Amino acid sequence: NAGVTQTPKFQVLKTGQSMTLQCAQDMNHEYMSWYRQDPGMGLRLIHYSVGAGITDQGEVPNGYNVSRSTTEDFPLRLLSAAPSQTSVYFCASYLRAGEAFFGQGTRLTVV
Amino acid sequence: SQKIEQNSEALNIQEGKTATLTCNYTNYSPAYLQWYRQDPGRGPVFLLLIRENEKEKRKERLKVTFDTTLKQSLFHITASQPADSATYLCALGVTGGGNKLTFGTGTQLKVEL
Repeated sequence: NAGVTQTPKFQVLKTGQSMTLQCAQDMNHEYMSWYRQDPGMGLRLIHYSVGAGITDQGEVPNGYNVSRSTTEDFPLRLLSAAPSQTSVYFCASYLRAGEAFFGQGTRLTVV
Repeated sequence: SQKIEQNSEALNIQEGKTATLTCNYTNYSPAYLQWYRQDPGRGPVFLLLIRENEKEKRKERLKVTFDTTLKQSLFHITASQPADSATYLCALGVTGGGNKLTFGTGTQLKVEL
């Protein structure tokens, strides 16, 4: 039981490049979310999903896309990276109104 | 606008003392409130959940209170140890719509020998 697995752990992108941050969970959780964490800002919700095939926007969705084709996977796509997207990204999965399980994070730098 | 406030200044206490961290919120009607621990370079780890109809929750050396009138939660660590040093985050959740969590910015706790 690995919990929530995020890849890669570190990534450097050039402005304008695209990439996908991977997130997988093996706990059969319905709910999954992507957050970004910036100094002094706390964790902010980017997108979330309440089940396979269902996604919705969070607080800061611009510049990001998600899809949820299976219960296990919830990838986050950066369409055209910008320096403002330099951040630490966390994926989480959770039960209804229950504890969230977070991955180890992806530290992304856009130059 | 909705706001969650945690003391941004680090809290330094001596080993063995009780640490008390505060989470205040405005313009929210949360169904539940959670506390997480985050160590440098790691993801947050769940500690406790307390629901709107509960006043207090305990788990080992941890205690959380939730006052919906004051719009405040207090998080206590008794008999603190250097291993308790970390950043502690509070998060508010509302039912429906994916049970989205909204996080505070966290308070850094340092327990000194």
